[in-house]
Amino acid sequence: DADVTQTPRNRITKTGKRIMLECSQTKGHDRMYWYRQDPGLGLRLIYYSFDVKDINKGEISDGYSVSRQAQAKFSLSLESAIPNQTALYFCATSESATDTQYFGPGTRLTVL
Amino acid sequence: GQQLNQSPQSMFIQEGEDVSMNCTSSSIFNTWLWYKQDPGEGPVLLIALYKAGELTSNGRLTAQFGITRKDSFLNISASIPSDVGIYFCAGIEAGGTSYGKLTFGQGTILTVHP
Repeated sequence: DADVTQTPRNRITKTGKRIMLECSQTKGHDRMYWYRQDPGLGLRLIYYSFDVKDINKGEISDGYSVSRQAQAKFSLSLESAIPNQTALYFCATSESATDTQYFGPGTRLTVL
Repeated sequence: GQQLNQSPQSMFIQEGEDVSMNCTSSSIFNTWLWYKQDPGEGPVLLIALYKAGELTSNGRLTAQFGITRKDSFLNISASIPSDVGIYFCAGIEAGGTSYGKLTFGQGTILTVHP
């Protein structure tokens, strides 16, 4: 079984809709991250959490919010989706000792 | 924010050839990581480097943490068709407020012709 899972894997929605992307991990890591990937831009950090009570904005947090429901769960919400939020979204986890990050399979989101 | 310059942006090679790609930064990094991403999947960690000058191999892959701590390279020897994908470097800055945040390069798209 995968250590980091994301649901859904694909989602098509309309402008203005609220969307939640979910991430779960079985690695026992405290740190979790949400990234966005656009062609030619690599991965950019949206939000990160170093434990259940710690949430921090990344470089592109506008238009997004997150919730760390438990050590193993970290969800990303788009309160009112817009077309330029169409992208691949990745969740990642790391243990504090090495900071090496492990990625989920991604969610492809299309906002029409 | 901090940017990593990864080159080349793309490579088209014949099966059996060796491949080399690198990343440079303007800041000092404590950690360098190399990932591979297959279409429709998340990045998968290939090699992690934690010390300046460190040279680490993983099968046909070899990566090095530059002495200046501002660069890293990845070599793939005797390429095979399944090496196709996007390769990303990523680093964690020394000090400051990085708190373990990764900065990614733009990626190198590798195509291997049989």
